[in-house]
Amino acid sequence: AQSVTQPDIHITVSEGASLELRCNYSYGATPYLFWYVQSPGQGLQLLLKYFSGDTLVQGIKGFEAEFKRSQSSFNLRKPSVHWSDAAEYFCAVGAHTGTASKLTFGTGTRLQVTL
Amino acid sequence: NAGVTQTPKFQVLKTGQSMTLQCAQDMNHNSMYWYRQDPGMGLRLIYYSASEGTTDKGEVPNGYNVSRLNKREFSLRLESAAPSQTSVYFCATRTGKMGNEKLFFGSGTQLSVL
Repeated sequence: AQSVTQPDIHITVSEGASLELRCNYSYGATPYLFWYVQSPGQGLQLLLKYFSGDTLVQGIKGFEAEFKRSQSSFNLRKPSVHWSDAAEYFCAVGAHTGTASKLTFGTGTRLQVTL
Repeated sequence: NAGVTQTPKFQVLKTGQSMTLQCAQDMNHNSMYWYRQDPGMGLRLIYYSASEGTTDKGEVPNGYNVSRLNKREFSLRLESAAPSQTSVYFCATRTGKMGNEKLFFGSGTQLSVL
């Protein structure tokens, strides 16, 4: 079974500083990897995804993530954080069973941005 | 476009009461999902439906039942609510085939069981 670990429960960064959120996964085959963001009181929104090909993927809102198979990691990065990026971020790994897919989510990292 | 609509947004139940959480989508997606979100545990899959007429258990199905009434609607029922079912529940749909998929989430139902 697949699993995801997000080791950082809470991170605080200053506006304009760079950001890296860590994600490690466990999966027997080639993983499908995702980052979702959740603003307070809202559902989750897809930031970016990796399926195959280029290991550096670009997403919305200036985010990017790099898939490193040797480290089983898929860390999320942003060069310069904006106050509006304060939210909770979830990494997820996907597996397909028949015609449906099932995502396993990490426990999330809450990002606080100070001005 | 409404996307994925969940009702109600908030609900308080007493232990042993029953209720149904409703989810409707207008995106014509085949796959639908119910997740629960608890502090420190992320999102856990309760049930999913690959298409109309089919449902399957996810990671934490005990205490829940689901109905895929038609392509648009996927409901989650708690027959006898327990305090352990206090959580935020999210319905989601999926678009795209393997390699190009995306989940769309509703805004959630906050359920408290006293």
